[in-house]
Amino acid sequence: GAGVSQSPSNKVTEKGKDVELRCDPISGHTALYWYRQSLGQGLEFLIYFQGNSAPDKSGLPSDRFSAERTGGSVSTLTIQRTQQEDSAVYLCASSLKVQYYEQYFGPGTRLTVT
Amino acid sequence: GDSVTQMEGPVTLSEEAFLTINCTYTATGYPSLFWYVQYPGEGLQLLLKATKADDKGSNKGFEATYRKETTSFHLEKGSVQVSDSAVYFCALPNNAGNMLTFGGGTRLMVKP
Repeated sequence: GAGVSQSPSNKVTEKGKDVELRCDPISGHTALYWYRQSLGQGLEFLIYFQGNSAPDKSGLPSDRFSAERTGGSVSTLTIQRTQQEDSAVYLCASSLKVQYYEQYFGPGTRLTVT
Repeated sequence: GDSVTQMEGPVTLSEEAFLTINCTYTATGYPSLFWYVQYPGEGLQLLLKATKADDKGSNKGFEATYRKETTSFHLEKGSVQVSDSAVYFCALPNNAGNMLTFGGGTRLMVKP
């Protein structure tokens, strides 16, 4: 079946603008995760959803970052007032359930803030 | 907290050479362990996994054995190919299983 998809694949934005990144998980996967991959920080966990609920938002880098998931499917990661340090590849993953299930990753969205 | 340490790259090998990429971890309990691979321009793919001590995960000629005595999960392949050129990440889940902690990644370059 179809894997995890993300859009856009690339996004270039000016500093101070807001951006929305989208993730479509594998059908039937109830758990969804966001990670960030950057040169200086490697792969960082940002947030996870079980269904539409995100129990722990402490991994988000700042209050400019928010995420939501609707209908137990699509998720959006929103970054407000983007800064240059937000430039990174944002990866989404999904798994059948949270806890001990393999995570399947999408191709990522490369965000460049100029 | 949990952590994963990988050998730094890049690792450059000739085709058919033997590969080892070291991975050690710090965690409470005995979590599952994973190796992910990221080919150029692509997302992360699960390469192999082991769910308990002494388990050996294997896939595409790659192997890794879960060693709790040395808290290690080294990745090996007997004969690498140019197509194996990629970045390899060792990872483990937290106790709740709701996030993965990754090592820094090791870039492998295989020359013909």
